[in-house]
Amino acid sequence: AQSVTQLDSHVSVSEGTPVLLRCNYSSSYSPSLFWYVQHPNKGLQLLLKYTSAATLVKGINGFEAEFKKSETSFHLTKPSAHMSDAAEYFCVVTTSSSNDYKLSFGAGTTVTVRA
Amino acid sequence: KAGVTQTPRYLIKTRGQQVTLSCSPISGHRSVSWYQQTPGQGLQFLFEYFSETQRNKGNFPGRFSGRQFSNSRSEMNVSTLELGDSALYLCASSLEGVDTGELFFGEGSRLTVL
Repeated sequence: AQSVTQLDSHVSVSEGTPVLLRCNYSSSYSPSLFWYVQHPNKGLQLLLKYTSAATLVKGINGFEAEFKKSETSFHLTKPSAHMSDAAEYFCVVTTSSSNDYKLSFGAGTTVTVRA
Repeated sequence: KAGVTQTPRYLIKTRGQQVTLSCSPISGHRSVSWYQQTPGQGLQFLFEYFSETQRNKGNFPGRFSGRQFSNSRSEMNVSTLELGDSALYLCASSLEGVDTGELFFGEGSRLTVL
């Protein structure tokens, strides 16, 4: 079985302070992991992806995530939040086996940035 | 280059009707996948088409169907609409496929079923 759990449904931070969005996964196979962001009334945009290369992945807009196999986690961080970071963030897991694959979305974390 | 284009952006239907949504992928992308997004169920994968063949599908009833044309444009059809089908339907295109590559999403088609 495969699943993705985003541990916080809502995160509120002050502008200029760090952001941490937590994601845990379970998978029977080696996963690929992604973080996507969705601004209001928009589609999703890829922030970063992990595909079994370096465990610390850098993405766009100053975001990065660390893959920790022992903790089955892929938490997203940013050192200093900006007002434009207010959006919903999704952790996504895919696994492939033979000629099939499985794709799972987390429930999403809404980020609010206070001025 | 042009992004993923979905039409129509908004539509209202009544129960029992059917609806067809269209998605034009980024030029050169052979994979188009579809997703349903609702406040209650979140984002759910519907199906993926790759070079005109359905490559994978999620757990949705047969009322949800799709197809892909030779130019990679894709359509999704929902028949016998139910109130619970009200959702934002997103499509995404990819060069390599859903499982291996980066997905580029359109802005979605928001369907309201009355």
